[in-house]
Amino acid sequence: QVQLVQSGAEVRKPGASVKVSCKTFGYTFTDYVIHWVRQAPGQGLEWMGWINTDNGNRKYSQKFQDRVTITSDTSATTAYMELTSLRSEDTTIYYCARGVGKQKMDYWGQGTLVTVSS
Amino acid sequence: EIVLTQSPGTLSLSRGERATLSCRASQSVSSSYLAWYQHKPGQAPRLLIYGASSRATGIPDRFIGSGSGTDFTLTISRLEPGDFAVYYCQVYDRSGALTFGGGTKVEIK
Repeated sequence: QVQLVQSGAEVRKPGASVKVSCKTFGYTFTDYVIHWVRQAPGQGLEWMGWINTDNGNRKYSQKFQDRVTITSDTSATTAYMELTSLRSEDTTIYYCARGVGKQKMDYWGQGTLVTVSS
Repeated sequence: EIVLTQSPGTLSLSRGERATLSCRASQSVSSSYLAWYQHKPGQAPRLLIYGASSRATGIPDRFIGSGSGTDFTLTISRLEPGDFAVYYCQVYDRSGALTFGGGTKVEIK
């Protein structure tokens, strides 16, 4: 069955970077895009960006454009999200999700808690 | 950039009652690109509705999506205990960017 399994919790100091992975199972990796979404601290869901795993095209939210890089490894059926210049406000849970065209995100990873603290 | 405004911010209802959640877009959007998600603490978000009115696999028929243009609605016809959660609408814009609304919390009265 379809599963997205994310890497474990991370702790970083302000100014550092973090890279979260999203290993996929149960479907053809290149048939779907992968999105990254975070739960804004004390707020709602924030979309960060997506990657077309077939051709590598990417789209980022303007908010994160300068700090986020989304990549994928087809042979490993895994997507990655790297966020740089971390600050305390980046402390939250990050999710990957499988995207079906522009219609929906139908399967989600379990979430990865990133804590930014000095 | 499309802005999605959800209302109310919080809905306090009892089990068995009907919940009506609103999602208003700052400009007209394609219904094909409007989705709704349920999010509970400690869990990943769950797709409920896509294409404004199509239920995702396994979603019970008490969840009903409707609307077009700038105004969309999620109706939960009879609230069950597992329905108390935060609900988000989401849309793609023409540039390929994606936006979530601010969410509506459905809580037990």
